[in-house]
Amino acid sequence: SQQGEEDPQALSIQEGENATMNCSYKTSINNLQWYRQNSGRGLVHLILIRSNEREKHSGRLRVTLDTSKKSSSLLITASRAADTASYFCATVDRGSTLGRLYFGRGTQLTVWP
Amino acid sequence: DGGITQSPKYLFRKEGQNVTLSCEQNLNHDAMYWYRQDPGQGLRLIYYSQIVNDFQKGDIAEGYSVSREKKESFPLTVTSAQKNPTAFYLCASSTRAGAGNNEQFFGPGTRLTVL
Repeated sequence: SQQGEEDPQALSIQEGENATMNCSYKTSINNLQWYRQNSGRGLVHLILIRSNEREKHSGRLRVTLDTSKKSSSLLITASRAADTASYFCATVDRGSTLGRLYFGRGTQLTVWP
Repeated sequence: DGGITQSPKYLFRKEGQNVTLSCEQNLNHDAMYWYRQDPGQGLRLIYYSQIVNDFQKGDIAEGYSVSREKKESFPLTVTSAQKNPTAFYLCASSTRAGAGNNEQFFGPGTRLTVL
C-alpha cells in the first residue's frame, strides 16, 4: 500500500526557476527519502531526512520535514532541463525492523529550456 | 563497477507462460526487493529478502515467486497466475534491512509486456 502522496502530480517550469514538490504521509516515520526517476529508468536516491531533523541540503536540493503536519517538501533551486524527471517520496515507518519503503505516486517535473 | 543489474530490459510473454526476471548486485547488500510500477503510479512491493534463503511477501505477491539462493541474486518469476502482468519491474538492494536509515539502490528495470 502507498503511504506518501506527492503534490502536485505534475509541475512545469522554465529553466532557472525553483521547483517545489510536497509530500504528505499518514504514519509515524523513522525517516523520509526522496528519489528521482528518469523516464523508463530505475530510481536514484537523492536525500534522506530523519524524523528528528527539520531541514537538509544537498547541492541544489533542499528538503524540509514537519512531523507535526506529517509533510515534507523538496525544493530544487535554479532548475535545469536535465532535472526533468519524476520525483518520489518514500517513508520508513518508526519502529520498522524491516526498513521497507512506502512510495507515493510521484510528481512529474518538466523543466523547459 | 559496483551496481545492480537487471535483465532483460524488455520482455515479451504470451499468456499462460511463466517468465523469470533476473536481478544481480555486487554491492554486498543483504536486502533485496522487487517492485512493480504501473503508468502514473508509485512503486508497489512484490517480495523482499533480508538474507539468503529467506524472503517475505510484499503487498502484491499473488502470481509471483522468488528465490534467494545467493546473496548476489534475487530472481523474480511471473507466473501464469498473475492476471495483469504487463508492467515495469524494478529490483533494488540495500544494506541491512533493519537499519531503517538505508537508502535503496535500484536497477534499470525490466519492461514486461504480455501479448
